[in-house]
Amino acid sequence: QQQVKQSPQSLIVQKGGISIINCAYENTAFDYFPWYQQFPGKGPALLIAIRPDVSEKKEGRFTISFNKSAKQFSLHIMDSQPGDSATYFCAASLRTSGTYKYIFGTGTRLKVLA
Amino acid sequence: NAGVTQTPKFRVLKTGQSMTLLCAQDMNHEYMYWYRQDPGMGLRLIHYSVGEGTTAKGEVPDGYNVSRLKKQNFLLGLESAAPSQTSVYFCASSYSIGYLMNTEAFFGQGTRLTVV
Repeated sequence: QQQVKQSPQSLIVQKGGISIINCAYENTAFDYFPWYQQFPGKGPALLIAIRPDVSEKKEGRFTISFNKSAKQFSLHIMDSQPGDSATYFCAASLRTSGTYKYIFGTGTRLKVLA
Repeated sequence: NAGVTQTPKFRVLKTGQSMTLLCAQDMNHEYMYWYRQDPGMGLRLIHYSVGEGTTAKGEVPDGYNVSRLKKQNFLLGLESAAPSQTSVYFCASSYSIGYLMNTEAFFGQGTRLTVV
């Protein structure tokens, strides 16, 4: 119930292509859905986030699409660049009585070929 | 602005030894978390704290203990290390959680722990 399922595990995209990473959840108490980007040897850093009352959010080349009825959300990276090569984690926050935490997906390792 | 600082960055332990990982944040955040990262498993929450003096269990708390005696520090302890605890450990902090507030979680650089 508190899991966030992420796919694919790894992704290889040509430079200029579109990278798409998908996540699904079950718990309707999740109320905030961020995506984190992690480069090797570094800690994850916030990339973009969306609230459940919004269906899409775009920041530069990065877009989150959110489907509340399907309990799914996805990250689209347009015009993918070699510098985007990193591991991406979707996450969901749970803020209910007595529980305040982020649950992360298993991660997607993205490689963008030059 | 240091953000979230973890010490040590690397450590090798023998089975049965104990150690403490220290996390310090200088952003006056209320919420702090300890995660472990393993290949194919993503980030799994070990313990978390919603304020000074409070702690709570996450998804994988067994074998770990935590303390939050000061708001800026969150300690993770391994009383008797096991090879299964070989992992990269990340500490994170946030002002709050949920979309109503400033909720970005800031992560430290990680501690790579090997138990032999």
